[in-house]
Formats: sequence, C-alpha cells, structure tokens
Amino acid sequence: GNSVTQMEGPVTLSEEAFLTINCTYTATGYPSLFWYVQYPGEGLQLLLKATKADDKGSNKGFEATYRKETTSFHLEKGSVQVSDSAVYFCALSAQTGANNLFFGTGTRLTVIP
Amino acid sequence: NAGVTQTPKFRILKIGQSMTLQCTQDMNHNYMYWYRQDPGMGLKLIYYSVGAGITDKGEVPNGYNVSRSTTEDFPLRLELAAPSQTSVYFCASRENRAGELFFGEGSRLTVL
Repeated sequence: GNSVTQMEGPVTLSEEAFLTINCTYTATGYPSLFWYVQYPGEGLQLLLKATKADDKGSNKGFEATYRKETTSFHLEKGSVQVSDSAVYFCALSAQTGANNLFFGTGTRLTVIP
Repeated sequence: NAGVTQTPKFRILKIGQSMTLQCTQDMNHNYMYWYRQDPGMGLKLIYYSVGAGITDKGEVPNGYNVSRSTTEDFPLRLELAAPSQTSVYFCASRENRAGELFFGEGSRLTVL
C-alpha cells in the first residue's frame, strides 16, 4: 500500500542552523511528492513538490530531492530562521486509487534566536 | 483570490447539537476534501469528493455527512455532536488527482 513515514518531532534548532527533516515513502508506481508547511493558527500550504525521480523541489531556501532508489524526500534548509518555526508535513499523491493522498504525521520545528 | 473559504472559523457546540461547516472554492476544482486535525496530531481524512454529485468516505467518517451538489461547495454536517469531535477542521481542494492541495484556514470546533 501507500504510506509516508516522517521524522518524529519536535525539532528545536538555533537560528542559522542546518535543517533536515527525513521523509520516506512506500508507493506503487511513480507518486508525486510534496512538502506542506503549517504556520501557527493557519491551514497547510504547499512548500515544494517533485513529480518524478531525481527532481528537486525548492522554495524559500528549502529543498528536497525525489530519490526513488531510497524512496525518500528529505527536506533541507541550510540556515533556518525564527520565521521557519512551523509544522512540516510530507505527503504523496499516488498514481492510482480514488483517494490517492497520503500525509505523514508532521514534524514541529521551533527555531530559537 | 479567495481560494478555499471556510465558515465559521470558530464554533462552540453543546453535546447533541448539530451544525454544518461550510466550504467553498472558486478555482473550479473537481477534488475536494475534509480533514480533521486534533491537537498536536496530523491530518485525518473524513470525506472526499471527486466531482459534483460524488462523495466517498475517508478514514474517520462516523458522525459526519457531506454533500456535493455544486463544484464550488462541499459542506460538512455534524449530527449529534460529541466531545470526540472537538478538533480543527480543514477543507481542501485540488484541480486533479496529481495536483497540489489548497487548504482553507480551518474551522475550530469545540463540543462541550
């Protein structure tokens, strides 16, 4: 079946630290992969996406590479800011099935000055 | 640029009351979803729709009902509210089954 396994949180980092949030997936075929971010008190919004193997999604200094060989889509940022404090969700959209969306459980990131 | 609009943003219900959470989108998206998010937890799918007139159950449909009479609207009905339905509810839509999801701002419901 399809599923997303995401790094457990919470994660606390100092400003300008390097961030990695791990995400691995199980899927048949070739899913699309997403990272969504949820700022406090808001809904989720798309951070970045990748639709095929070896694609790199990037936005706001965040990057993630679609690795089919390791079934991973790890989120990275070289230097985090306080404003990056949020909950991050990894998700996949499978090729088949009427309900083809699968989310990870979310990772809460807190960046301290 | 309205996107996905949910109302109300906040609501307190007494046990046994009923209410409808409204969701409308102006992007002409076929796919619409209702999720709930309990404190500190991830998203759980309640119901979804792949087009007007078509709805289906998600992971946690008990205690809820939906309808999809138009492309734009996807209301979620809570019958006989229970404390276990205290949560934040998110409506979302997307253009097709491979596209990104657009979320509403959420509706915070408390059942006392």
